[in-house]
Amino acid sequence: EAGVVQSPRYKIIEKKQPVAFWCNPISGHNTLYWYRQNLGQGPELLIRYENEEAVDDSQLPKDRFSAERLKGVDSTLKIQPAELGDSAVYLCASSRQAFEETQYFGPGTRLLVL
Amino acid sequence: AQSVAQPEDQVNVAEGNPLTVKCTYSVSGNPYLFWYVQYPNRGLQFLLKYITGDNLVKGSYGFEAEFNKSQTSFHLKKPSALVSDSALYFCAVRDVRYSTLTFGKGTMLLVSP
Repeated sequence: EAGVVQSPRYKIIEKKQPVAFWCNPISGHNTLYWYRQNLGQGPELLIRYENEEAVDDSQLPKDRFSAERLKGVDSTLKIQPAELGDSAVYLCASSRQAFEETQYFGPGTRLLVL
Repeated sequence: AQSVAQPEDQVNVAEGNPLTVKCTYSVSGNPYLFWYVQYPNRGLQFLLKYITGDNLVKGSYGFEAEFNKSQTSFHLKKPSALVSDSALYFCAVRDVRYSTLTFGKGTMLLVSP
C-alpha cells in the first residue's frame, strides 16, 4: 500500500512569512498526527485528528499554528507568521484508528526559517 | 506522564558484531513500546513493537527487542550488525489508555566495515 505522502519536502522562508504543509495519509487510516522534530530530538506531537475532528491539540501553538483536515482525509498544517524557532522537520503520521498500535510516518517537511 | 530515555547518544559497533541500543521507559499504566529507525532525510520507519505476550519481539531487518517489566526497559538488539544498519533509532512508549506516543531523543548507530 502507498505510504504517507507529504509535500513539500523542503521549504525555506524568511521570518514572518506564512508557510503550509500538506499530508495525505495511508488510505483507510482515520487517525492523523502532526509532529515536530527539532534537530537532535525525537518527534513531538502537535495535533491529532480522528477523522475530521481535532481531538488533541494541546501542544499546538495556537497563536501562530493552525491545522485542518477537511473531509477526514488530507490535512494541512499552517504557520503564520513563521519565527526562527520554527525551523524543524514537520512529520505527518497516520494509523487506522486512535488506539491502533502502530503509527506510520511520512518523509517529513524540512523547514528553514531565515 | 510518560517518558522515554535513550541513555546513549551514539553506539559504535563493527560489522558482524552484535549490537544493542538501550531504552528505558516510564508510564503509569501498562506500556505499548515501539522502535523506529530514521535514515537521513527520511521519515521514521517502524521496526517492531511490544503490545502484550512474549517479552522477546522480532521485527524487520533482523532486529529484535526484549521487554523487561521489572527494569522498565526495551532494548533493541541484532545478532550481527550490517553497515547499512547505520541510522538514527528512536524508542517510543504509549500508555495503553492513551493515544499519545512519546519518543526518546534517539540514538545514532554507526556500524563500521
